[in-house]
Amino acid sequence: EPEVTQTPSHQVTQMGQEVILRCVPISNHLYFYWYRQILGQKVEFLVSFYNNEISEKSEIFDDQFSVERPDGSNFTLKIRSTKLEDSAMYFCASSGTANSPLHFGNGTRLTVT
Amino acid sequence: GENVEQHPSTLSVQEGDSAVIKCTYSDSASNYFPWYKQELGKRPQLIIDIRSNVGEKKDQRIAVTLNKTAKHFSLHITETQPEDSAVYFCAASLTSYDKVIFGPGTSLSVIP
Repeated sequence: EPEVTQTPSHQVTQMGQEVILRCVPISNHLYFYWYRQILGQKVEFLVSFYNNEISEKSEIFDDQFSVERPDGSNFTLKIRSTKLEDSAMYFCASSGTANSPLHFGNGTRLTVT
Repeated sequence: GENVEQHPSTLSVQEGDSAVIKCTYSDSASNYFPWYKQELGKRPQLIIDIRSNVGEKKDQRIAVTLNKTAKHFSLHITETQPEDSAVYFCAASLTSYDKVIFGPGTSLSVIP
């Protein structure tokens, strides 16, 4: 079964540094998402992306965040200047047609020190 | 925007007993209700979903019910096994490919 893949699995960075989290969605999917999960808490929606543009974003997704689909396969989340509170698991997800629900990747654990 | 509530936050059952998790949602426009199971350190995995034109759906030991009028939906797990132990999240969405809004989760422990 096709899967959403994310790299790296764990990223450690210093406060103020930029990080890029990478995702390869399932190949025939059209809708792409980033979610965040702070340890022990619920999964929170960050942003959705369709037709090469952001379709919706949450209040968490402020100017420090950006997304990009640089080629036909990758989908990236960039955090420009990381803060301690950005430490979380970041999940990429994709979905296709109306009969295709969200499929999540294994996540990238971001630790900001 | 959509808000999903979930109860209980923790649930402990004996192996073989049933477990029930209940959720409510706020946006009457939501039409798609997935349930995810998350084991420690892993991704949320879809275990069952239900659309608003259906009141109940069953898949082996798992069943979901939906009451659109009351904006309630529930997950029922029968004959629980230790491997059912995990955090379960209910969620709501306009469609299966819209953003999914998660509930706060229920930590289920099945005691052998």
